[in-house]
Amino acid sequence: DGGITQSPKYLFRKEGQNVTLSCEQNLNHDAMYWYRQDPGQGLRLIYYSQIVNDFQKGDIAEGYSVSREKKESFPLTVTSAQKNPTAFYLCASRGLAPNEKLFFGSGTQLSVL
Amino acid sequence: AQSVTQLDSHVSVSEGTPVLLRCNYSSSYSPSLFWYVQHPNKGLQLLLKYTSAATLVKGINGFEAEFKKSETSFHLTKPSAHMSDAAEYFCVVTPNTNAGKSTFGDGTTLTVKP
Repeated sequence: DGGITQSPKYLFRKEGQNVTLSCEQNLNHDAMYWYRQDPGQGLRLIYYSQIVNDFQKGDIAEGYSVSREKKESFPLTVTSAQKNPTAFYLCASRGLAPNEKLFFGSGTQLSVL
Repeated sequence: AQSVTQLDSHVSVSEGTPVLLRCNYSSSYSPSLFWYVQHPNKGLQLLLKYTSAATLVKGINGFEAEFKKSETSFHLTKPSAHMSDAAEYFCVVTPNTNAGKSTFGDGTTLTVKP
């Protein structure tokens, strides 16, 4: 079955530590997105990528970094510069054509120790 | 630029009564509009989408939404709530461009009372 796989489901970060969240899709989608979900704030876009080796900042990119070396993979690194990293992170993908819906992973809950 | 405003952060209804979740949007482009639902401990699921065809859109589980351009609204309705409808609902606007960035509303939590 095609879909998006996010791992791990739960992740803990120590002060000053970088952590990487994995997102893999086998839907052959060109576009991939990372969202952060906080209670009462909906989903806010961190980074997105429309093609391999290219990505753009979203609305809240500070303290995060991404790479897109392969079409199916779009890992997100939460760096030590992100001072409030505790949140639920969702990865999504879609085809390039207009009107296509987003497919979501099951999410990663990141907490700070 | 685009934005989405979900007018109610919480809606509570009794089982069997109608549901109305309100969404207003703004967009520089002719947008596509979506409603997604997120059940506790589950992923986001598409309920329905509007893509410039019929203004009244029917989705899964008896939900429907009407696109009103003059009011820039896309409210979600259901004639009769079921206990299983209790979840968080997100209104989403996406410009009709290739891989356009989606903007999510803040979400509306629907509670269904027995």
